[in-house]
Amino acid sequence: NAGVTQTPKFQVLKTGQSMTLQCAQDMNHEYMSWYRQDPGMGLRLIHYSVGAGITDQGEVPNGYNVSRSTTEDFPLRLLSAAPSQTSVYFCASMPYGREDEQFFGPGTRLTVL
Amino acid sequence: DQQVKQNSPSLSVQEGRISILNCDYTNSMFDYFLWYKKYPAEGPTFLISISSIKDKNEDGRFTVFLNKSAKHLSLHIVPSQPGDSAVYFCAAKVRGTGNQFYFGTGTSLTVIP
Repeated sequence: NAGVTQTPKFQVLKTGQSMTLQCAQDMNHEYMSWYRQDPGMGLRLIHYSVGAGITDQGEVPNGYNVSRSTTEDFPLRLLSAAPSQTSVYFCASMPYGREDEQFFGPGTRLTVL
Repeated sequence: DQQVKQNSPSLSVQEGRISILNCDYTNSMFDYFLWYKKYPAEGPTFLISISSIKDKNEDGRFTVFLNKSAKHLSLHIVPSQPGDSAVYFCAAKVRGTGNQFYFGTGTSLTVIP
């Protein structure tokens, strides 16, 4: 199993550009989430999904969109990138019924100029 | 406002000694708590968890203590090893809410050989 994969590893955008961060998992996990990690702020939940077709907002959803058309994939879209979205983004998955262990991807480092 | 806080951004400990990492939370609805470990350029990995019905949980060298009245939990690592050097995040959730986790700001642990 590849686990949770994220692409790209690094990305530089200009203010106003849009892009999609990709996340895929091959463990058939129902739960998937997106987090951003910023210095002094820890990991903050952006959006999460409890299954295909179901998504909801986390703590910091503004400026981001998600969709979940399949169990495997959970892309995160930045509609109009802003410097405040410079961060490291992590995707995570967890099987239904578990309370604890999320499996994280390696992260995408995004810089918005 | 951050619902889970780790007030010590960094901690240095000699190899073989005890490492104590602390975490405070404000939301009295939280009833499940976790610790994750993160190495540079990798995603976080699950370490240990505790339910609010317990006040202690052990897994090898790692023990988590929960003080519900103080809304405080701590992670003890005994003995500390150089490979334990990483950033440690505590997290909290309400049981039954799936993947809605709230993370702290992280503590960077350095174990000195």
